Amino acid sequence: GIQVEQSPPDLILQEGANSTLRCNFSDSVNNLQWFHQNPWGQLINLFYIPSGTKQNGRLSATTVATERYSLLYISSSQTTDSGVYFCAVPYNQGGKLIFGQGTELSVKP
Amino acid sequence: ETGVTQTPRHLVMGMTNKKSLKCEQHLGHNAMYWYKQSAKKPLELMFVYSLEERVENNSVPSRFSPECPNSSHLFLHLHTLQPEDSALYLCASSQDLRDTQYFGPGTRLTVL
Repeated sequence: GIQVEQSPPDLILQEGANSTLRCNFSDSVNNLQWFHQNPWGQLINLFYIPSGTKQNGRLSATTVATERYSLLYISSSQTTDSGVYFCAVPYNQGGKLIFGQGTELSVKP
Repeated sequence: ETGVTQTPRHLVMGMTNKKSLKCEQHLGHNAMYWYKQSAKKPLELMFVYSLEERVENNSVPSRFSPECPNSSHLFLHLHTLQPEDSALYLCASSQDLRDTQYFGPGTRLTVL
């Protein structure tokens, strides 16, 4: 089955710093989602991005489907950005998503 | 996001208890999902329902029993659980199977 790998596994930033999170996947996909899981467990949709670049405030994402990777950029990080960032790709047409292991981000004041 | 709600938010149960988790979506979606997330691990899909029919069953033990009475509600019935079943159980919904999935806040389950 398809493999999804995220890097780095952990990241500590000072407030105001920028960061790039990476998601590699082993097979071609027709969509990719980025999620942020806050410290209380809530998963929040960030991007649905099968290809190209999207921006939402301080966050942006780029997926290069032909090279099987996606990047999530966080600029001017804030303490509320702390949590785990997951990327997920579909396994089949039946709604099954395969999640990466996540990047745990900690933003220090 | 309040489009998907889950109750209870926290549950502690003994191995001989029977309990149920409830999920409700207010988004008019046709597909609903149960995921399990053990500590520090990615989400694992348990069940998928589309138009109230189960379409995916990911080799989940029979002590977990899903029920989807209508497209807005999804239950997970629990019985004779083991301590290793302690985890965060997340419900999600999507317009259709290939669309963006939206998650509820989760139920944090502890089995003693």
